[in-house]
Amino acid sequence: SQTIHQWPATLVQPVGSPLSLECTVEGTSNPNLYWYRQAAGRGLQLLFYSVGIGQISSEVPQNLSASRPQDRQFILSSKKLLLSDSGFYLCACSGTENSPLHFGNGTRLTVT
Amino acid sequence: GQNIDQPTEMTATEGAIVQINCTYQTSGFNGLFWYQQHAGEAPTFLSYNVLDGLEEKGRFSSFLSRSKGYSYLLLKELQMKDSASYLCAVMDSNYQLIWGAGTKLIIKP
Repeated sequence: SQTIHQWPATLVQPVGSPLSLECTVEGTSNPNLYWYRQAAGRGLQLLFYSVGIGQISSEVPQNLSASRPQDRQFILSSKKLLLSDSGFYLCACSGTENSPLHFGNGTRLTVT
Repeated sequence: GQNIDQPTEMTATEGAIVQINCTYQTSGFNGLFWYQQHAGEAPTFLSYNVLDGLEEKGRFSSFLSRSKGYSYLLLKELQMKDSASYLCAVMDSNYQLIWGAGTKLIIKP
């Protein structure tokens, strides 16, 4: 079964600082990978998804970007964080198109 | 537009049964998922329905009616650890997941 490693668990960053969140997956090859954000008490918002190396689809235009440099590595970045970027960031993967998503433990980001 | 509706919050008693409903309107249908999310944690997969009917998995069951755009999650013999949010998600014709906002379930002793 697949294991998703996501770090760090918590992060406090000042407005205007850069961001890099990393997610790696074990136990599967060529997974579909996803970045979600969840604001406090809210539902899941899909930010990016990737079906292969170098293939990134953006769902929400904003100051975030994603990259997939290796098959099982997915990175979420920002050059300058905004207060509104605060939230719970979740990396997820699935093996096929209609298989369940499995989530990493998440990163709680607070922008101050 | 695509829409998933589920109650915002429900309260139930330890040992009892609770049913969490989910109605959906999506562009096509390729399955419905239920997830459990404890406060401060990531969602964990509970069940998947793609055909009409009931899927049972221990104390949890999930039902689907595609013609009605309706599903429910049934939790039996409630335990305090079942206090969590329950998320309903539907996969549309493009294999994109549409998420409900979640139902916060509060279990009282």
